[in-house]
Amino acid sequence: QIVLTHSPAIMSAFLGEKVTMTCSASSSVSYMHWYQQKSGTFPKRWIYDTSKLASGVPARFSGSGSGTSYSLTISSMEAEDEATYYCQQWSSNPPTFGAGTKLELK
Amino acid sequence: EVQLQQSGPELVKPGASVKMSCKASGYTFTSYVMHWVKQKPGQGLEWIGYFNPYNDITKYNEKFKGKATLTSDKSSSTAYMELSSLTSEDPAVYYCARTSRDGYYAMDYWGQGTSVTVSS
Repeated sequence: QIVLTHSPAIMSAFLGEKVTMTCSASSSVSYMHWYQQKSGTFPKRWIYDTSKLASGVPARFSGSGSGTSYSLTISSMEAEDEATYYCQQWSSNPPTFGAGTKLELK
Repeated sequence: EVQLQQSGPELVKPGASVKMSCKASGYTFTSYVMHWVKQKPGQGLEWIGYFNPYNDITKYNEKFKGKATLTSDKSSSTAYMELSSLTSEDPAVYYCARTSRDGYYAMDYWGQGTSVTVSS
């Protein structure tokens, strides 16, 4: 199965700071999805098909990548962005998730 | 509005089984594949399997074969997951999540989760 590795596992950012987190796949995948999960709540589809923002996701978020390397970027950190972000692929079975990047406000 | 309403928390004895539900509303139940995902306390997300209510096809993560059984009741638009022979590895929150038909099959709607505790 394809293993997805987040980098970093934990990070913190100041308000207004640019944030970039990456997801590396053990084999090439055609696209990547990202989910946001805040403490005590269920995950939400956040970015899908590598770069499409889910409904209601602020435009400061963006996604990019190809092959084995994908990233999620926040152009300017806001307090509400504190959460864990998981990448996920289903280019091949079984669908797999990364272990997540926990983003904290500094 | 699409909603996935999961059943309430479960307290189950070791060795017993538990069956949880995920009631779908706001869309045609048989038109979308339903995933089940496990999240242990403080840990990440793990895919269990999916069920296609249109043709009753299931696919499981090898790790959960023999542990999880996925079914549905089309008449009530409800998906079910039964976990058998519960052990100390099974306490977790279990989510159902619908597969999107928009793009490359992300999980676009999630239930609120069912918490399972295993204790005698």
